[in-house]
Formats: sequence, C-alpha cells, structure tokens
Amino acid sequence: QKEVEQDPGPLSVPEGAIVSLNCTYSNSAFQYFMWYRQYSRKGPELLMYTYSSGNKEDGRFTAQVDKSSKYISLFIRDSQPSDSATYLCATEGGGGTYKYIFGTGTRLKVLA
Amino acid sequence: EAQVTQNPRYLITVTGKKLTVTCSQNMNHEYMSWYRQDPGLGLRQIYYSMNVEVTDKGDVPEGYKVSRKEKRNFPLILESPSPNQTSLYFCASRSGSTGELFFGEGSRLTVL
Repeated sequence: QKEVEQDPGPLSVPEGAIVSLNCTYSNSAFQYFMWYRQYSRKGPELLMYTYSSGNKEDGRFTAQVDKSSKYISLFIRDSQPSDSATYLCATEGGGGTYKYIFGTGTRLKVLA
Repeated sequence: EAQVTQNPRYLITVTGKKLTVTCSQNMNHEYMSWYRQDPGLGLRQIYYSMNVEVTDKGDVPEGYKVSRKEKRNFPLILESPSPNQTSLYFCASRSGSTGELFFGEGSRLTVL
C-alpha cells in the first residue's frame, strides 16, 4: 500500500464549478499536509499547508484534513481555466527528517 | 528573486556517459533534495542534504550520487546513466521557517 494515494484523474469540469480533490494516507503519525500545484513544464509550487486536522482557507481554495479517516481534501470554488494543472497532495513524515511523501497527482482541466 | 535553478533543462545522452545536473538556490536554505517524477509513480526522493557536507539517501538512490560542498549548490551526478534513469528531475530546497519546499523548473533527461 502506498503511503499516500491519489486518484490521477484526469478531471474535467466547466468554469465556475466547485472542484474536490482528495487523497488518503496510511500513517496516522503524519502531522503536516500540503497541496502543491504543478503547471505543465514547471516545478510544483506550494498552494496550501496545514497542520493536523481541520480546515484552512485561502481565497478560492480550502484545504481540509480529517485525521480520523486519514483523508485530505482540496476544494476549489469558482474554478477558472487558469486552475488547470496537476495537483499533488503531500505529507511530511516528521521526526526532523523532512521526508516529504507525495501523491501521484490529479490532473485537472477547467473548461472555459 | 528567490529561486531554485537547475541546468540543463533538457538533455539527451547515451548509456554510460557521465553527466551532472546542477542545482543552485539563492535563499540560504540548509535543506536541499532531488526528486524524480515518473508517470504513475509521482515524485520520488533520490537524495537529500540537511546541510553542507551532510547527505543521505532517499527512496530511489541507486545509480545516483550527490555532493554538497557549498550551501547553495547541490549537484546530481549520474556516473553511468542507463535508460531506466530517463525521467523528469526536480531539485528542491526547504525554507527553515515555513517548511515550504521550493522546486526548480525541472530537468528532462533522456538516456538512449
């Protein structure tokens, strides 16, 4: 079983839709959770960073962590064509090793 | 501008011909790492470095070497490249204050 599982998509939605991207993880010791966005031919860039359970909101983006079910989500409201990218969930293993474990990424396409 | 710079961005080489991919960051980060990204497998860590002269293996270190003689530079060395090392490579550095990983733009390597 992979430590972080993510549906690869692709996911196509119309402009303005609410998008839900999800990941599951296996190790209950994980505390830090991230979402990275990767545009084509570019390196990943940090979108959201959350610690432990709960929600974090930043503009049209909301990250949610449910540690009881080991489930992390990213919601995009009022999606735009510029949101078309691959979204990677990630967790940091902790313990000072800075070992980051990434999901395989979900490719999102927002249609104008 | 804060950035991680990788070179070359694209490279085609032949089996057995040694090559080096350079990585440099201008953010004074202590932690740097190398990843490879393959379809269906996501980002996998090759090597990481906690500081100058301190390096350690990640999940897929076979066939690679690294060195960290200066804080800003972390080159990836393929002593005898093989076709299974054809991949997209990313260098990253970590902010000590926020935990954010900053990625380079990637180096696409093809080994014939």
